[in-house]
Amino acid sequence: GAVVSQHPSWVICKSGTSVKIECRSLDFQATTMFWYRQFPKQSLMLMATSNEGSKATYEQGVEKDKFLINHASLTLSTLTVTSAHPEDSSFYICSARVGFTGDPYNEQFFGPGTRLTVL
Amino acid sequence: GDSVTQMEGPVTLSEEAFLTINCTYTATGYPSLFWYVQYPGEGLQLLLKATKADDKGSNKGFEATYRKETTSFHLEKGSVQVSDSAVYFCALASGGSYIPTFGRGTSLIVHP
Repeated sequence: GAVVSQHPSWVICKSGTSVKIECRSLDFQATTMFWYRQFPKQSLMLMATSNEGSKATYEQGVEKDKFLINHASLTLSTLTVTSAHPEDSSFYICSARVGFTGDPYNEQFFGPGTRLTVL
Repeated sequence: GDSVTQMEGPVTLSEEAFLTINCTYTATGYPSLFWYVQYPGEGLQLLLKATKADDKGSNKGFEATYRKETTSFHLEKGSVQVSDSAVYFCALASGGSYIPTFGRGTSLIVHP
């Protein structure tokens, strides 16, 4: 199946700094990429959806100025957590799909996740 | 809004035992239903899916039937293996975006 990678797999940073997480589709071109956040023993919460070349669409309650998403190419999306604080500590997961939203048969492929710890 | 409820884990079984992980959903319209599996250190993988009522999704010995009348999509396997140890997520997708809404995940631990 298609492979999605994330880098780094874990990161520890000081409060107030910014952290960038990369999501890459390794063997396919991803028209749409998604960013999720997962708390311990909780479900995946969709943060934002991005289509290549356009601005990301953020879910209600997600601060777009804090979680900057860039989908500059068909194989790369980045999530930057700006001025991180301890409450931003979480597991961040990206996924990618070939088609645009609205296609019910278009499978999402998930990355392995990035563990962010803010001290 | 749409939501998925699945049984809390961990579910601990011996090898070759029968597995059931319950999943119920609330949605408007007619959603597609999915089970995803997450092995340790890996991303979520689609395990099986069903797109309409009474459909049965199956893969790797796992099965789930789309039950509209009970709004359920329970995951079953007749004989689990140690290699099945993972976290299993039930999900639905509906509406124009077809972006999945996930349950909380159920951890399965299979002992030899």
